[in-house]
Amino acid sequence: KNEVEQSPQNLTAQEGEFITINCSYSVGISALHWLQQHPGGGIVSLFMLSSGKKKHGRLIATINIQEKHSSLHITASHPRDSAVYICAVTSQKLVFGQGTRLTINP
Amino acid sequence: NAGVMQNPRHLVRRRGQEARLRCSPMKGHSHVYWYRQLPEEGLKFMVYLQKENIIDESGMPKERFSAEFPKEGPSILRIQQVVRGDSAAYFCASSPGLAEVYEQYFGPGTRLTVT
Repeated sequence: KNEVEQSPQNLTAQEGEFITINCSYSVGISALHWLQQHPGGGIVSLFMLSSGKKKHGRLIATINIQEKHSSLHITASHPRDSAVYICAVTSQKLVFGQGTRLTINP
Repeated sequence: NAGVMQNPRHLVRRRGQEARLRCSPMKGHSHVYWYRQLPEEGLKFMVYLQKENIIDESGMPKERFSAEFPKEGPSILRIQQVVRGDSAAYFCASSPGLAEVYEQYFGPGTRLTVT
């Protein structure tokens, strides 16, 4: 079993839909990251959080430390949000989930 | 302030050759991390370095791979006698301090193809 599990692995939605990507982890962590990897391969850090909730534009990330679970939400999704979203946890080093491939159709 | 820079962006090597991948961290960042992404797989930690020190190399294959981050100049990931299985995207990230506290900034990656 992976230390970091994401669901779903693939997600296709229509433009405008509310998107939720989930991440569960099994190790003790100091922080959790959400990353975005575009088709060209570049990786952008979206959030780093250790408690509660963070919001940036249409993106919201939450974490529940007791339940070892985090969610990434995208409101009013747009085709340009199509990418692979990766959850990673910091336990001295980054441990990555397998990623969720999101496709938003116009 | 330029972001994390990696070069080359694409590297083709024949089996048995050496590959050298370079990473220049963001200005003011003294911590560098190397990650590997095999085709159709997730990212995997390889090594964590500070200037002139290897902090954690638990993700590095035991043979043929080495990394350094000298006092001056970029961090180098070196792969000797490359094999086809080394074909992957290699990403470098940097941070101003400890991974537990600071966000990491990723470079664009080097795509290594071994023929």
